[in-house]
Parts: sequence; C-alpha cells; structure tokens
Amino acid sequence: DAKTTQPNSMESNEEEPVHLPCNHSTISGTDYIHWYRQLPSQGPEYVIHGLTSNVNNRMASLAIAEDRKSSTLILHRATLRDAAVYYCILRDPSNFGNEKLTFGTGTRLTIIP
Amino acid sequence: SQTIHQWPATLVQPVGSPLSLECTVEGTSNPNLYWYRQAAGRGLQLLFYSVGIGQISSEVPQNLSASRPQDRQFILSSKKLLLSDSGFYLCAWSADRVANQPQHFGDGTRLSIL
Repeated sequence: DAKTTQPNSMESNEEEPVHLPCNHSTISGTDYIHWYRQLPSQGPEYVIHGLTSNVNNRMASLAIAEDRKSSTLILHRATLRDAAVYYCILRDPSNFGNEKLTFGTGTRLTIIP
Repeated sequence: SQTIHQWPATLVQPVGSPLSLECTVEGTSNPNLYWYRQAAGRGLQLLFYSVGIGQISSEVPQNLSASRPQDRQFILSSKKLLLSDSGFYLCAWSADRVANQPQHFGDGTRLSIL
C-alpha cells in the first residue's frame, strides 16, 4: 500500500486557519486521499476525501497538489473542539470487500486558546 | 440515520479470562464491518473485517477471533486473554460495494488486562 507521511504534531491558535500537510509520493493513479480525525477517547471520524480536485465540505477543505504527491487539510477557523489526531489515508476504491483503512500515527493538533 | 453501538465502554479483565465485545449497526443493511485495535499512543490496527454473515477475514494472526452471526452484529472474542490484548477496540461499518464510502466508528471499548 502507498504510504503517507505527516508531521507528528502541530499547534495553532484558536480562530485561525490550520493547514495540515500530508506527503504521499508513491500514490497510485487510482488512490483517493482520505482524512479522518480522532478526538480524545473517541473513535475516528471521517473528515473529507478527494482524488485530484480541491474539495470543500462543512468540516474542512482539501487541497491536492497538481502532481498528487502531497495534500493539505485546511480547517478554516480552528476551535478548541478541533483538537485531535488527524490521519491522512490513501484508499483504492476498486478494492471492494477489502476496504481496510491503514492508519499511520497522524498529526496531533493542539489548539491554543 | 445509521448508528453504531459498542459495549461495554470500559472493561477490566484478568489474564486468561475470556472476552466478548459486541458491536451492532442500525439503519443500514449488509454493511461491511470492521474491528480495529489501538494500543496506547499508537495508530489503529485492523484486526478483522466482514463483508457478510459468516464471512470473516483476519488481518493479523493473534489470540482473538471474530464472528458475524447476524447481518448487523459483529462480535470480537477471545478464549484466554493475554496482557498484550490490552488496548482500545473500535468497531466500524461502511456501506457495501460503494466506492469511497467513509468508515463510521463506534465509541470504542477500552480493555485493560490485569
């Protein structure tokens, strides 16, 4: 499976934008980029996913590099509730019946009040 | 809407005792089901996944087993727990045969082995 690389930790001030980077230099042409986050003592929560174009939803935006070897999750205005571990994961949608998620160690985001 | 339930939320068991963790999903049919484990300070590790009743795939050889007796019920079991079985166990579901559907996780069971 193609792997992703994320910084171990990041800090951001409350009410400011946050840019969480992810490198995936071995991404294949069919891999989608998915982001999940895990709040303390909870199960992971889906955030967003994309293939080539930038994506927006109510939680965040996903900016994907033109060569697809990196991407950035953008939280437009961080709140204390956004403090979590953020995981960047590659998924091949053709793997029906084997849609396991391979979680790395993610980025621990701390929000400073 | 779909919901996923896991219980118990926390569990303390002695070494050598049996284990049964249950997960049920409501509001969907024929989901893919997953068991993950997260050791302290580590990422999630997929243990088992299931695409249908009685169909279980194991990702990691270990002391645990899984069963799916009903469409929306997934059970994680062990006959004799080891200290290394401690961790945070998470059940998840996703829609069957639909590409790129997110996995939805339960609140987890924190298992401590003494």
